[in-house]
Amino acid sequence: GQNIDQPTEMTATEGAIVQINCTYQTSGFNGLFWYQQHAGEAPTFLSYNVLDGLEEKGRFSSFLSRSKGYSYLLLKELQMKDSASYLCAVRDLYGNNRLAFGKGNQVVVIP
Amino acid sequence: NAGVTQTPKFRILKIGQSMTLQCTQDMNHNYMYWYRQDPGMGLKLIYYSVGAGITDKGEVPNGYNVSRSTTEDFPLRLELAAPSQTSVYFCASRGTGGSGANVLTFGAGSRLTVL
Repeated sequence: GQNIDQPTEMTATEGAIVQINCTYQTSGFNGLFWYQQHAGEAPTFLSYNVLDGLEEKGRFSSFLSRSKGYSYLLLKELQMKDSASYLCAVRDLYGNNRLAFGKGNQVVVIP
Repeated sequence: NAGVTQTPKFRILKIGQSMTLQCTQDMNHNYMYWYRQDPGMGLKLIYYSVGAGITDKGEVPNGYNVSRSTTEDFPLRLELAAPSQTSVYFCASRGTGGSGANVLTFGAGSRLTVL
């Protein structure tokens, strides 16, 4: 099985940097994903890590350490539209590559 | 491309009623999934399918049934609705080759209330 843990909520100021952490335990790790979900909407894909290290994509970066079962999502130059829930998800090789999602971290951006 | 289309968007059911949530995708994706999301919670996998004719249980399958007679369609059926099934339901799909294999495309969601 899988166990995914994320903090629940954080508030940050427009233009700031925020880091969202995710820890996980799984027997057949085959990738870690970050999704963004605005209130009342479907999740949308942000990033994917399968090897250790940092993946950068514009204002968003995602880091993975497989030995520590740890990932973070870094949001830079925060904008009001970044107010959303950020979901960490782990893919399980032994479960037909299903994705298991954490509860998500609500980020509130204030002026 | 329409992507993943779910219907209905909203529905209120009485306890014991049955209904089917429809999901269709036009991306020729083999993998399809049904998730439910309760307030303040992450997504829980109900059922999934790796191709037409093949379905399997996820984390929370009790009270639900699915079928996958075509690549495009993956309906979710609730036979005897219970208040515990009040939730937002998301259908998703993904391909099997290249970068598309790593990305789940979600439908807009179906908000179901059981009273």
